[in-house]
Amino acid sequence: ELKVEQNPLFLSMQEGKNYTIYCNYSTTSDRLYWYRQDPGKSLESLFVLLSNGAVKQEGRLMASLDTKARLSTLHITAAVHDLSATYFCAVAVYNTDKLIFGTGTRLQVFP
Amino acid sequence: DTEVTQTPKHLVMGMTNKKSLKCEQHMGHRAMYWYKQKAKKPPELMFVYSYEKLSINESVPSRFSPECPNSSLLNLHLHALQPEDSALYLCASSPAIGGTDTQYFGPGTRLTVL
Repeated sequence: ELKVEQNPLFLSMQEGKNYTIYCNYSTTSDRLYWYRQDPGKSLESLFVLLSNGAVKQEGRLMASLDTKARLSTLHITAAVHDLSATYFCAVAVYNTDKLIFGTGTRLQVFP
Repeated sequence: DTEVTQTPKHLVMGMTNKKSLKCEQHMGHRAMYWYKQKAKKPPELMFVYSYEKLSINESVPSRFSPECPNSSLLNLHLHALQPEDSALYLCASSPAIGGTDTQYFGPGTRLTVL
């Protein structure tokens, strides 16, 4: 059974600092997604990662995938307050459309 | 049009009521999903429809009854719910089953069961 773990669960960081969120999963998968959720809102798609070594960047966020280690990272560069949200990774059960979401990382960026 | 819409935004119902949630997309997507999200928890998959046919039911209690009348519309019929069913119900769609595209999520219906 596919299990997805994220850490940290909560991250309070100062503006301008860098940090990384980790997403580990337990069995082989062919797709990994990152989503952002603002309080009381829906999920916004950030990245789709499909292959080993894939790296995607958008603004201050960069996501990578290591399928051999079953690990994805979401790196935040020079954080700004607007990045405050909960970030979820979601891993597809191999060869299905079922997504298993990680526990989420609640990010708070303060001045 | 690149959005998934859901109605109502909020719903309060008693345990004996029957209500329905509605989800609509006009992106031509052929896969549609229902998720349940409790406060401060990740979304959990409930149902998947592919080409208007139910393809995944995650052992959801029968008091939740999904329906896909056409390729743009997805309903979730609710009957005899319990207070623990209170949650945010999210609908999502994607271009096709088995594809690599992301799922696009609607704004959700916040359900409270009294």
